[in-house]
Amino acid sequence: GDSVTQMEGPVTLSEEAFLTINCTYTATGYPSLFWYVQYPGEGLQLLLKATKADDKGSNKGFEATYRKETTSFHLEKGSVQVSDSAVYFCALIFSGSARQLTFGSGTQLTVLP
Amino acid sequence: NAGVTQTPKFQVLKTGQSMTLQCAQDMNHEYMSWYRQDPGMGLRLIHYSVGAGITDQGEVPNGYNVSRSTTEDFPLRLLSAAPSQTSVYFCASSYFGTGGGETQYFGPGTRLLVL
Repeated sequence: GDSVTQMEGPVTLSEEAFLTINCTYTATGYPSLFWYVQYPGEGLQLLLKATKADDKGSNKGFEATYRKETTSFHLEKGSVQVSDSAVYFCALIFSGSARQLTFGSGTQLTVLP
Repeated sequence: NAGVTQTPKFQVLKTGQSMTLQCAQDMNHEYMSWYRQDPGMGLRLIHYSVGAGITDQGEVPNGYNVSRSTTEDFPLRLLSAAPSQTSVYFCASSYFGTGGGETQYFGPGTRLLVL
């Protein structure tokens, strides 16, 4: 079945460091790919998405490129801030009726001042 | 525009009790769903609905019932709570287009503890 594997956490960085969170997926066909972020005590918010190969999603300084050849959707940010501390989830979805988001297990990011 | 709202925020149940988790959205979304979030497992789909009067099972439906009588509301019922249902529950909604890339909007969650 479809699955998403993302970098195990937790990840601790200093402010202004470069961030990469790896995400790879296994799926038959070409899903849409998402990164969601969950701040402490809150629900999930969409961070960015890409719906076809070679698309780049970007938001709030974060970027991820849909790489079909490597089945990857790695999340990057050039300079993290303390306010970026959260749990990040990679997810995929197909266009069938279930619209089930298949999530990775999440990566806890802590940014220290 | 409140988005997706969920009540209660937190609930403690005893084994065997029943309860309903409420979910409502004011964005006129056709699609609504319920997920549970357990440590280290991401989120798993319980039930979903593509419109009023239409519901279907997701990945982990056992022990849960749903109904969708209006576009706005999608309650989740636990008929006889078990400790294995201790989790955080999220409701989500989106438009239902043809491509599958529609953004799903999540509620703030309900934390359930079953003793």
